[in-house]
Amino acid sequence: AQTVTQSQPEMSVQEAETVTLSCTYDTSESDYYLFWYKQPPSRQMILVIRQEAYKQQNATENRFSVNFQKAAKSFSLKISDSQLGDAAMYFCAYRSGSYNNNDMRFGAGTRLTVKP
Amino acid sequence: DAGVTQSPTHLIKTRGQQVTLRCSPKSGHDTVSWYQQALGQGPQFIFQYYEEEERQRGNFPDRFSGHQFPNYSSELNVNALLLGDSALYLCASSLRQRETQYFGPGTRLLVL
Repeated sequence: AQTVTQSQPEMSVQEAETVTLSCTYDTSESDYYLFWYKQPPSRQMILVIRQEAYKQQNATENRFSVNFQKAAKSFSLKISDSQLGDAAMYFCAYRSGSYNNNDMRFGAGTRLTVKP
Repeated sequence: DAGVTQSPTHLIKTRGQQVTLRCSPKSGHDTVSWYQQALGQGPQFIFQYYEEEERQRGNFPDRFSGHQFPNYSSELNVNALLLGDSALYLCASSLRQRETQYFGPGTRLLVL
């Protein structure tokens, strides 16, 4: 079964600095998708970024970028120029590329604090 | 463009009771997935509905059941509530089963 591990329960960053959140996963599949979701205190899970495993190029969305290392099964999220609004729980998630397997597997999350 | 909506926002029940949670998908989406998020944990997949049928189910007992209506909205029903069912229940919608899932704000269920 696929598992997702986030080894950093909490991280802290100074406003305007850069922070990297770690995620590793375990799978025997070659086709899959990886996601980072943000969950602020309002509880709504917001999609931050998505990466297809077949793409070698790392995904980027404005200040958010990933470092996808397929062989190492690592998928870290880099947040540049951190803002107070970035403070939230961040979840890494895996979804199989198999047609009949559509559920997402989430890690336990990393709580990010942004200091002014 | 309306996002995913869920009702109610909060709910308090006692052990043994039954509860129904509701979800309206994002406009244009036809697939609804339900997740349970216990305090301090990541969401866990309960099941997914597409074309009014349960297409995939996670490791949850039969006490958890669902339904999808012709307008793509969905309900999650939990029977014989246990204390351990206390959690945030998240609904996510997508266009078809394979596309990116977008989440609603969740329903916080407390079982006393």
